[in-house]
Amino acid sequence: GAVVSQHPSWVICKSGTSVKIECRSLDFQATTMFWYRQFPKQSLMLMATSNEGSKATYEQGVEKDKFLINHASLTLSTLTVTSAHPEDSSFYICSARDLVSSYEQYFGPGTRLTVT
Amino acid sequence: AQSVAQPEDQVNVAEGNPLTVKCTYSVSGNPYLFWYVQYPNRGLQFLLKYITGDNLVKGSYGFEAEFNKSQTSFHLKKPSALVSDSALYFCAVRDYSGAGSYQLTFGKGTKLSVIP
Repeated sequence: GAVVSQHPSWVICKSGTSVKIECRSLDFQATTMFWYRQFPKQSLMLMATSNEGSKATYEQGVEKDKFLINHASLTLSTLTVTSAHPEDSSFYICSARDLVSSYEQYFGPGTRLTVT
Repeated sequence: AQSVAQPEDQVNVAEGNPLTVKCTYSVSGNPYLFWYVQYPNRGLQFLLKYITGDNLVKGSYGFEAEFNKSQTSFHLKKPSALVSDSALYFCAVRDYSGAGSYQLTFGKGTKLSVIP
């Protein structure tokens, strides 16, 4: 089956530093990848949609300069949280859509970010 | 915009009993509906989807869902609950976001607890 990996699975960083999260589709090609944020006991909130080779589309209220998304290849997208603050602490989940089937969307295991 | 509602924050059921997790939807066209399960600190796992065809959809781990157009519902069911089914369940609808792009819109989630 289709597998999406994320790295790291958890990260602790100091306030003011930047952290990069990688999302990879391991056995399929994904033209579109999605980044979600999930607060404790809440649903997933879509942050941005990225298409390979083009700029990401951010949802309303998401700071594009703070959450930098790069989708350089059909199997890799990265989310960089710049100048992190404690309020950025959250669970970040990426998802990838199969190039072949536009209905299927596969999710990564998530990355727990804690900013101290 | 499309939306889904999960009216129950939590559902408790005894092991061996049937379980139902409710979901209602609001769409402007034909609904594409999904159920996902999330275990603690993990990403989402796909359970099943309804695109077209039979109203009763069978999915992973013995789960099934019934699409009811007149009631705009897509409830998740399982005949006999297992303790290992305890998790967070999300209903989602595919939402058209413009320029040929689709994304998933999630309900708020329902925590299922199966009591031994």
